[in-house]
Amino acid sequence: QKEVEQNSGPLSVPEGAIASLNCTYSDRGSQSFFWYRQYSGKSPELIMSIYSNGDKEDGRFTAQLNKASQYVSLLIRDSQPSDSATYLCAVNWDGGYNKLIFGAGTRLAVHP
Amino acid sequence: GAVVSQHPSRVICKSGTSVKIECRSLDFQATTMFWYRQFPKQSLMLMATSNEGSKATYEQGVEKDKFLINHASLTLSTLTVTSAHPEDSSFYICSARLASTGELFFGEGSRLTVL
Repeated sequence: QKEVEQNSGPLSVPEGAIASLNCTYSDRGSQSFFWYRQYSGKSPELIMSIYSNGDKEDGRFTAQLNKASQYVSLLIRDSQPSDSATYLCAVNWDGGYNKLIFGAGTRLAVHP
Repeated sequence: GAVVSQHPSRVICKSGTSVKIECRSLDFQATTMFWYRQFPKQSLMLMATSNEGSKATYEQGVEKDKFLINHASLTLSTLTVTSAHPEDSSFYICSARLASTGELFFGEGSRLTVL
């Protein structure tokens, strides 16, 4: 069973703080990792993709990958109330048609 | 990012009728599209993988005769919910995979309400 685990939250952070979202996965063969943001009632939108160990930065977002520990995280710097959403971690499962397995999501609440 | 368009965004139908949802990749060709369902406050559940020119691959527990998928071209996949019942009411979301990066881009979603 391929699994992607996330803490459901809610993770509550004050405006301007760093929000840290974590994700672990079970399939050691996974090669591609993605973070999506989903606002209530909307479909997910891609924030970051990461494929190799280390950090990848894009604006206020930093994705971190550690394949040995089967761990991927997303840091959001200078958190804004508009960042309040559910963040979904997705990991490719390279079986069949290379589908993505999604975690249940972490709900982030940024309060002013 | 790549653009995926889904239509209709909302549909209300009577129990026993069928509903078709369209998913289009607007600026890239997608040999593979995926259909998800999401119930309130729950995560995405993959229903099936839609393959251009061949039969869809359904996840365990998803009835292929109830959820008909057609992927007739590289830019269009359709999901038909046949003989819909109130328990089929959900948020249906399609996605298309960009082959060069493996990234998945989602349509806007279709909220189905079966009365």
